[in-house]
Amino acid sequence: SAVISQKPSRDICQRGTSLTIQCQVDSQVTMMFWYRQQPGQSLTLIATANQGSEATYESGFVIDKFPISRPNLTFSTLTVSNMSPEDSSIYLCSVTGTNTGELFFGEGSRLTVL
Amino acid sequence: AQSVTQPDIHITVSEGASLELRCNYSYGATPYLFWYVQSPGQGLQLLLKYFSGDTLVQGIKGFEAEFKRSQSSFNLRKPSVHWSDAAEYFCAVGVKAGTALIFGKGTTLSVSS
Repeated sequence: SAVISQKPSRDICQRGTSLTIQCQVDSQVTMMFWYRQQPGQSLTLIATANQGSEATYESGFVIDKFPISRPNLTFSTLTVSNMSPEDSSIYLCSVTGTNTGELFFGEGSRLTVL
Repeated sequence: AQSVTQPDIHITVSEGASLELRCNYSYGATPYLFWYVQSPGQGLQLLLKYFSGDTLVQGIKGFEAEFKRSQSSFNLRKPSVHWSDAAEYFCAVGVKAGTALIFGKGTTLSVSS
């Protein structure tokens, strides 16, 4: 299994500002995934981040709003840009297991936008 | 594209009673199937997984799930529920190892005394 650390664990932000979430993994991984969990909702995939290439975004998510960096095999960042109250969510970083397909998740970053 | 349906939004079970949470998936081949649990304010914990072999899989905390190809289902069961099992349960599907998972909308389990 992988141990995933996310920072910040929670934050309260003002409308129109941006926040960068960091994800650190204790082992080298090829692919990292960013999910969003809106209040009372399920997990929705934002993007897949491969080291050395541009992130791949899911329908409804764009790079200008959610820029992602993946500078090495153990680290990634997700920025939530120009935030509005609708961006209030838990943002989760995840990585895959070996060959059985499960995802390991960080504790998440709970953002509240006022 | 694959999808996951959890028909029950909220279930209440008496402590000590049995539990079954339903999950149906849509995918042409045999998918990778998972159940996760999320306790209030906590991250997601993997309960169990299926990707091949025995269709009845055992997980942590006394949970089990059965893959039924004919019904495209992967229902989660527990013979005797404890109050600490109250949480949100998510069924998820993947098409192969190393890819993102698609999650169902979740089932909230409440346990009454």
